[in-house]
Amino acid sequence: ETAVFQTPNYHVTQVGNEVSFNCKQTLGHDTMYWYKQDSKKLLKIMFSYNNKQLIVNETVPRRFSPQSSDKAHLNLRIKSVEPEDSAVYLCASSYWGGADTLYFGAGTRLSVL
Amino acid sequence: GEQVEQLPSILRVQEGSSASINCTYENSASNYFPWYKQEPGENPKLIIDIRSNMERKQTQGLIVLLDKKAKRFSLHITDTQPGDSAMYFCAAGGAGNTRKLIFGLGTTLQVQP
Repeated sequence: ETAVFQTPNYHVTQVGNEVSFNCKQTLGHDTMYWYKQDSKKLLKIMFSYNNKQLIVNETVPRRFSPQSSDKAHLNLRIKSVEPEDSAVYLCASSYWGGADTLYFGAGTRLSVL
Repeated sequence: GEQVEQLPSILRVQEGSSASINCTYENSASNYFPWYKQEPGENPKLIIDIRSNMERKQTQGLIVLLDKKAKRFSLHITDTQPGDSAMYFCAAGGAGNTRKLIFGLGTTLQVQP
């Protein structure tokens, strides 16, 4: 069952372009995340939001900026993509109260040429 | 520290035998330890988890053990089947203000008929 929706599924772009990824969850969770999964399958947290408030902001380049309009939506903008940004970006959601299961979206695969 | 070490990186077993994956963590405040299975082209999905108030949990051919003193936890898959072939990730976290989960580097399990 798909309850964390990401768009687009794939995006191919050139160095220096701006891209935006969207994520919506219908699980009623109050916390959302962006993870980056590289070619070696390493899963690294980038950001987390709880009720629209930024909670985690890992050391990522400043060209990455998350945007949350409400607790069900968390988008990711990359201002000027670099080749090393090529990866799968996974959105996830969970409940904040006590550590809880992360539900991942299908991911957005970004290829930077 | 926040590292989670996961071993082995690749595990090949014969169908019907058991498979074990081990993880260690650094943050003694971690209180939540989930295991995720990721099949090719799919998103990671939770298969089993354990919290710090337990030492052992079992469900449907999966056993997780937690040794808080040694900061070590493990996943044991009994009677492996070809459908168990996938990437497996351990994670530790859930503590502190951020409650973020730190993932291990993953284990590729190959079950050979």
